[in-house]
Amino acid sequence: DQQVKQNSPSLSVQEGRISILNCDYTNSMFDYFLWYKKYPAEGPTFLISISSIKDKNEDGRFTVFLNKSAKHLSLHIVPSQPGDSAVYFCAAISNSGYALNFGKGTSLLVTP
Amino acid sequence: EAQVTQNPRYLITVTGKKLTVTCSQNMNHEYMSWYRQDPGLGLRQIYYSMNVEVTDKGDVPEGYKVSRKEKRNFPLILESPSPNQTSLYFCATGVPGNTDTQYFGPGTRLTVL
Repeated sequence: DQQVKQNSPSLSVQEGRISILNCDYTNSMFDYFLWYKKYPAEGPTFLISISSIKDKNEDGRFTVFLNKSAKHLSLHIVPSQPGDSAVYFCAAISNSGYALNFGKGTSLLVTP
Repeated sequence: EAQVTQNPRYLITVTGKKLTVTCSQNMNHEYMSWYRQDPGLGLRQIYYSMNVEVTDKGDVPEGYKVSRKEKRNFPLILESPSPNQTSLYFCATGVPGNTDTQYFGPGTRLTVL
């Protein structure tokens, strides 16, 4: 059963606007969350993370928000750029392990 | 330069013919892992290793074997490949406790006919 869910397989956003990618999880033991970005023919690369003791983490144009009570996190990209077009994977780790539990990914297309 | 290398990058084979996909890292990481990526299913963990001679099953270990005889290498072995193992495979490495620094290899696209 998928413990990390990305319910939107794709998202299209105009350049300069905000991209919001959503992720839900079911396992209350998850205490660390990460976003990975993947271009075609390349491996995933780490983008940004957040610990469960925080509700927001910001790194340049990327901000991740965590709502623990709703078991929901989101990645905001502002402003979106065409180079942001990629597949974005949400991942979570439990406090007892190290394995990444991935969502199915959301394909983001930023159009000029 | 920190690197995770996988070989081969592309492979087409036939059912039942044993194959090995190699993974090598130059970062002296204790943790190594294999994932497969399938359309609509995201990345699923096959096996992982917390250190030399220590391996554990992930979410989808059936049909795969691994070994960790030395720190830098973590080969994925398919003793008798089947068409349902056609997938894109990624090796990842990292340092336990430093979750931001899991590095992924470039991927191996395997087709089993």
